[in-house]
Amino acid sequence: QKEVEQNSGPLSVPEGAIASLNCTYSDRGSQSFFWYRQYSGKSPELIMFIYSNGDKEDGRFTAQLNKASQYVSLLIRDSQPSDSATYLCAVRQAGTALIFGKGTTLSVSS
Amino acid sequence: NAGVMQNPRHLVRRRGQEARLRCSPMKGHSHVYWYRQLPEEGLKFMVYLQKENIIDESGMPKERFSAEFPKEGPSILRIQQVVRGDSAAYFCASSPPGTGGGLFTEAFFGQGTRLTVV
Repeated sequence: QKEVEQNSGPLSVPEGAIASLNCTYSDRGSQSFFWYRQYSGKSPELIMFIYSNGDKEDGRFTAQLNKASQYVSLLIRDSQPSDSATYLCAVRQAGTALIFGKGTTLSVSS
Repeated sequence: NAGVMQNPRHLVRRRGQEARLRCSPMKGHSHVYWYRQLPEEGLKFMVYLQKENIIDESGMPKERFSAEFPKEGPSILRIQQVVRGDSAAYFCASSPPGTGGGLFTEAFFGQGTRLTVV
């Protein structure tokens, strides 16, 4: 059974710090990896996706993928209070839908 | 370019009634996914469809739930004889066609339909 694990948190960081969100997955056949942000009562918004080992940067966000360790992370630099939300990790295999973890709640204090 | 459109945004049904949730994917998107989210929980996959085809319905309850994505018109998630436990937010996402069944393409979500069963 495919599983995606995330620490539920809450993860608390002060404004301006780096927030590090982690995700592990069980199925080695997973090939693409996604990070979504979800504010309370709202729909998930795509932050970024990655499918090659290594780092991928987009503004203040960096996704890191290590397929050998079945591990994907999201770093948020210069965290802002507006980054306070639940962050969802999702993985996908060919021909399948995205499978989500339960999410990590991030709280950024000003 | 309009995003993924879901309607209604809020739906109230009495126990035993039917609920129909609609999802119009983004222009050019041919893959549709339905997810259910209970309060304080993650997104649970229900069904994955392409036009006129159900690709994966492994997350769909065996009874009372059905989904379709016809050649013309929106995708429909239908819940018959609703019970209180069906109360949840139902999200639809869509993605474009691509290599490996869209493996390396983004999926975008609609605003969701919040179903309340009274």
